[in-house]
Order: sequence, then structure tokens, then C-alpha cells
Amino acid sequence: EVQVVESGGGLIQPGGSLRLSCVASEFTVSTNYMTWVRQAPGKGLEWVSLISSGGRTYYADSVRGRFTISRDDSKNTLYLQMNSLRAEDTAVYYCARTSTRYYMDVWGKGTTVTVSS
Amino acid sequence: QSVLTQPPSVSGAPGQRVTISCTGSSSNIGAGYDVHWYQQLPGTAPKLLIYGNNNRPSGVPDRFSGSKSGTSASLAITGLQAEDEADYYCQSYDSSLSDVVFGGGTKLTVL
Repeated sequence: EVQVVESGGGLIQPGGSLRLSCVASEFTVSTNYMTWVRQAPGKGLEWVSLISSGGRTYYADSVRGRFTISRDDSKNTLYLQMNSLRAEDTAVYYCARTSTRYYMDVWGKGTTVTVSS
Repeated sequence: QSVLTQPPSVSGAPGQRVTISCTGSSSNIGAGYDVHWYQQLPGTAPKLLIYGNNNRPSGVPDRFSGSKSGTSASLAITGLQAEDEADYYCQSYDSSLSDVVFGGGTKLTVL
């Protein structure tokens, strides 16, 4: 079955760091665009970051300079390194396979990040 | 203050037709970028509902349809059913921001 599974979320203090992982099954991460989308409690969807098949990376203004998207082709895994975390980063983080037309056709169930002291 | 504007809520009775609008600008929908729609049932991850303005992925009922004109797009749902009660999001790409952009979401209530 084509799917992605996120992990790595948890409770972290403001200013801390966390790395999210997204393992893909039945498709190759490196030949696809991949996206991280987050959803704060009770709020809408917010695009966070995208990596193209060629390795180019893109970030929302709200996370640029603090978050880094990357992938490990040998593990068929996407990552989101999150540094200098803030309370407003609290959200469910979704990983999604993304087409070159920017639609997201395979979504994981998400992993929850809570930034709080 | 989403780049794409959606009504916060819509409602309809079973069997009726409802539409959800998504208004953008000349740097996203109006620039020719595709509009995509997602359905998010309570407590679940989003699911792709419509891609490329008016295409349904396999398994999505033909009660769901999309359209686009100028700087706006719409999602129409006919023959409304109780299980359609969910949040719906439009999404596109914005060339001036160089960002993927979402609408703020619309909560559909089936009366």
C-alpha cells in the first residue's frame, strides 16, 4: 500500500529542537516532491516546507531559518529538523507526497508537536 | 488572513447541492495555477478530493466536482450526505510568495 508514516513528535520546551521523520512505503521519496503541512489546534492547514525531486527546498516565512527539510534516500525517509521552537509551532505535522502540480495525494496520519514549558 | 479566501461555514440538507468558493488573486489562481481541494473528516488527516481544478482521484464519488474561473474556484457537492460533514480546504501555488497556499477552510454542516 502506498503510504507515509510520520513520527518524532512530542512535548518540547520553547527554544528546543525536534526532528520529525516520515517513512514512505511503495513509492520512492527521492523521485517525488514531498511536503510538510501543519495544523495548529482548532485551526486550518498551513504549508510548512517542500523539497523537490531535484533536492531544492522551500519554506514558509514562519519557519524559514529555523526548520530544515531533508531526505535520506537510502532509508526512503523525509525529515523535518525543527530548531528554536516556539509555542506557535504547536501543531499536528503531516507529511505528504506532492505532485509537480503541487497537489498532495498521499498523506500520513500526522505527528503531534507541543511546545510548552 | 489566508491567501485564498473561503467562507468559514456552509450548510445544507441531505440531498441538496452546496458550493464552497475559494477566492484568490492574480498571483495564484488568476495566474493559472491549479486549484486542489481536500476533505478533512473530524479527527483525521486531510484527503485529496479534487486535483487540477476539476479532476477526481480514484474512489472519490462524482457527487464532488470542481471548477475554476478567473481568480476564483468552487467545489460543488450534490446529493449531500451525512458523511460529507467535514472541513474542506482549497489549495494552490502563489508565484509572488513562491509558496504553496491553502484557504482557511470551510466547515460543511449537513442539517
